[in-house]
Amino acid sequence: EVQLVQSRAEVKKPGESLKISCKGSGYSFTNYWIGWVRQMPGKGLEWMGIIYPGDSDTRYSPAFQGQVSISVDKSIGTAYLQWSSLEASDTAMYYCARQGYSGYEFNYWGQGTLVTVSS
Amino acid sequence: QSALTQPASVSGSPGQSITISCTGTSSDVGGYKYVSWYQQHPGKVPKLMIYDVSNRPSGVSNRFSGSKSGNTASLTISGLQAEDEADYYCSSFTSGSTRVFGPGTKVTVL
Repeated sequence: EVQLVQSRAEVKKPGESLKISCKGSGYSFTNYWIGWVRQMPGKGLEWMGIIYPGDSDTRYSPAFQGQVSISVDKSIGTAYLQWSSLEASDTAMYYCARQGYSGYEFNYWGQGTLVTVSS
Repeated sequence: QSALTQPASVSGSPGQSITISCTGTSSDVGGYKYVSWYQQHPGKVPKLMIYDVSNRPSGVSNRFSGSKSGNTASLTISGLQAEDEADYYCSSFTSGSTRVFGPGTKVTVL
């Protein structure tokens, strides 16, 4: 069974750094793109970026380029989303998701990681 | 601000059919066959309903169907049921080799 298990909720202060994780299991981790999706409170889904664990090829949405960093550790089957300096506007639910049938959609999703940034 | 546009809300009575549109440009929806649709109930994880414009994943009801004409893709829900009340998001591959979501459509079952 394919599973994506994300790290727990985080409460951080503005200016702090953060790295959240997404561990894949039940499939060949290096063969499927994994992406990150943001959902701010009461708002819609936003596509942030995607990474291919096999070679770490990464694509970012222009809106998130330079704002976050996506990485993987294929030795432990885990993808990461990282911030160097959080802002209050980063408060959101973050989902990781795995590519699906054709490679252009997400058919497996993590449970989400709630990130709260507040002073 | 999303590059795709969707109606903010669509409603219908049980048993009726409704259609949600998703309009983009030739750089996304119109240029590729890679449009997908997601259903999200409040507080829940999104669920893939349609991929590659019109393909249904296994387990998704055949009441859900997708199509595309030019720069506009559509999701049709036939035989509307109370459980279909949710937010629906379209997504498209883009010319920048990224993907983009639409702003979402709230479906209300009257």
